[in-house]
Amino acid sequence: GQQVMQIPQYQHVQEGEDFTTYCNSSTTLSNIQWYKQRPGGHPVFLIQLVKSGEVKKQKRLTFQFGEAKKNSSLHITATQTTDVGTYFCAGGGKLIFGQGTELSVKP
Amino acid sequence: DSGVTQTPKHLITATGQRVTLRCSPRSGDLSVYWYQQSLDQGLQFLIQYYNGEERAKGNILERFSAQQFPDLHSELNLSSLELGDSALYFCASSVGGSPPGELFFGEGSRLTVL
Repeated sequence: GQQVMQIPQYQHVQEGEDFTTYCNSSTTLSNIQWYKQRPGGHPVFLIQLVKSGEVKKQKRLTFQFGEAKKNSSLHITATQTTDVGTYFCAGGGKLIFGQGTELSVKP
Repeated sequence: DSGVTQTPKHLITATGQRVTLRCSPRSGDLSVYWYQQSLDQGLQFLIQYYNGEERAKGNILERFSAQQFPDLHSELNLSSLELGDSALYFCASSVGGSPPGELFFGEGSRLTVL
């Protein structure tokens, strides 16, 4: 069945450094979504990408959907302590989630 | 507040028992998803309902079952519980359709099996 892999599993950065998490699917995806889960919280929707090669920006966050619609990335510029949490990608009709990348930011 | 309500928030029970988790979706949302999140694990897709009908199934155990009622609330039934079933169970809702659209997650039901 469809699998969605995410790397890295953990990322520790100094505040102000950039951060990137990558998402890869075993199959072509009709869409990709990104969520953020703060410690002790529930996942919160960030964005959805549906077009091949699509790039979307939200302030310091940049999201990309690969040309083949099998991979995606989330890049955060100049991380802040408020960025702490686990970032998940999810794709396809069933919205299969990746394992997530846990981001910690050292002030 | 996502608008999705899950009850109970916490549940402690013994092995072999049966529990029911309840989810009320956001007003107007037709689709309900159930996910299981174990310690240090991602979100495992269990099952999806759309307007009362099962739409997609994930790695849901045979001991688990779910349904969506005419008023669109959903219940996840877990039976013959094992220690490994201890997890956070999330319900999420969306308007539905294709692509799925934004999922709104509830606060989750934390199940502890002793």
